[in-house]
Amino acid sequence: KAGVTQTPRYLIKTRGQQVTLSCSPISGHRSVSWYQQTPGQGLQFLFEYFSETQRNKGNFPGRFSGRQFSNSRSEMNVSTLELGDSALYLCASSPWGTENSPLHFGNGTRLTVT
Amino acid sequence: GDSVTQMEGPVTLSEEAFLTINCTYTATGYPSLFWYVQYPGEGLQLLLKATKADDKGSNKGFEATYRKETTSFHLEKGSVQVSDSAVYFCALSDSGSEKLVFGKGTKLTVNP
Repeated sequence: KAGVTQTPRYLIKTRGQQVTLSCSPISGHRSVSWYQQTPGQGLQFLFEYFSETQRNKGNFPGRFSGRQFSNSRSEMNVSTLELGDSALYLCASSPWGTENSPLHFGNGTRLTVT
Repeated sequence: GDSVTQMEGPVTLSEEAFLTINCTYTATGYPSLFWYVQYPGEGLQLLLKATKADDKGSNKGFEATYRKETTSFHLEKGSVQVSDSAVYFCALSDSGSEKLVFGKGTKLTVNP
């Protein structure tokens, strides 16, 4: 079974631009979560989707948004990029969600904002 | 809110040494507890988990016991190998929250 696939692997953007990151979950998994990883703040929860519905959202500004498609693939978008948005963005999938099954993480998208 | 505190390290050990990484938590509900491991350049992998008090999670020689009375979930391994070098994260998931709350991570380096 293929794992969680995140594209692109690396991204360099300029302040003020917007960016879209993509995540393809493991086949059959309906829950997709996104996390931001930085050296200073560690791993922080962004949001979680299940069957195209956002079930939970972390404490991030509205510039961070996401969506999930009917095939469970997910995208997250960051608008008006700031230097502090430089991070590793990790996507994770599971069959039903965090409470009932462990998360399977992708290798992440490394975003650098200059 | 929920939180996880773990020793940040870095931790450097010789091969075959005993490993303990401390983890304590604060949660409003009755959480599930996890240890994840991250190898360089990769995402996180679930190492072990425990869902109720006194449960012991184990995998690849690593163990951790869910201690409700001390709100702890310390990771242990009796004899580490060079291949165990990685960053280890303790995490919790409170019931109904659909999210993981992570500790800051502990970098482990094992020297031959």
